[in-house]
Amino acid sequence: NAGVMQNPRHLVRRRGQEARLRCSPVKGHSHVYWYRQLPEEGLKFMVYLQKENIIDESGMPKERFSAEFPKEGPSILRIQQVVRGDSAAYFCASSLAVSQGQYYEQYFGPGTRLTVT
Amino acid sequence: GENVEQHPSTLSVQEGDSAVIKCTYSDSASNYFPWYKQELGKGPQLIIDIRSNVGEKKDQRIAVTLNKTAKHFSLHITETQPEDSAVYFCAASMSSTSYGKLTFGQGTILTVHP
Repeated sequence: NAGVMQNPRHLVRRRGQEARLRCSPVKGHSHVYWYRQLPEEGLKFMVYLQKENIIDESGMPKERFSAEFPKEGPSILRIQQVVRGDSAAYFCASSLAVSQGQYYEQYFGPGTRLTVT
Repeated sequence: GENVEQHPSTLSVQEGDSAVIKCTYSDSASNYFPWYKQELGKGPQLIIDIRSNVGEKKDQRIAVTLNKTAKHFSLHITETQPEDSAVYFCAASMSSTSYGKLTFGQGTILTVHP
C-alpha cells in the first residue's frame, strides 16, 4: 500500500543549476498538487495537475518553474537556474478525484528538501 | 484570495492536559477545513477535517469546531501524549472554485512534556 513517493528526499544544487523533483502519486490517483514550504512557514500552493494537463498554476512563479504530469511516469517539478531563495521543502500531494462541491483527501509525500548553495 | 491565520505559533502543555489551536479564514466561500500533523522530516498527515455544513466533529481525542459566522475553526486535543508533539497546520479550501487547492495557516509547534 504505497503512499505518495517523492525523490530525491534531499537535493543540493549550486546557483544556476537545474533541479528536478519527482512525485509518484498513490496508485490510482490521477490528481497531483505541489506545495512549497519555506523554513518555519506553512505550505504554499504552487500547481495542480491532472494527467497531461495543468489545471491551476496560480501559485507558480512566472519564471524558471515548470511542472508536468505525463500520461506515464511521475509528476515532475522543474526549477531552472536555481537561486538561494528556492531553498525550501517541496511537497507533492495526490487525491483520488476532484470535482466541484466534492472533497477528497490529499495524501502528502515526504517531501524533497532542496538546498541551493 | 483566501488567507488563513493560525495561532498560537507555539504551544507547550503537560501530558494529560488539553491543547487548543485556532484558525481564522478570510473568504466566506471556503467550505472545507482540514487539519494536518507534520512530524520532523515527514510530510503532512491529515488528522481530521470538517465541512461547512457541520459545526463540530470528533474522533477519539481530537475534535474540530467551526464557526462560519465568525469565520474561525479550532482543533482540540484532549489527554495529550508526548507522541502528539509535532507541527499542526490548519487549512481551508473552496470547492466551488479551487478544486481542492488548500490554503494553509502558518503552523503551531505543539510540545507535550511527559
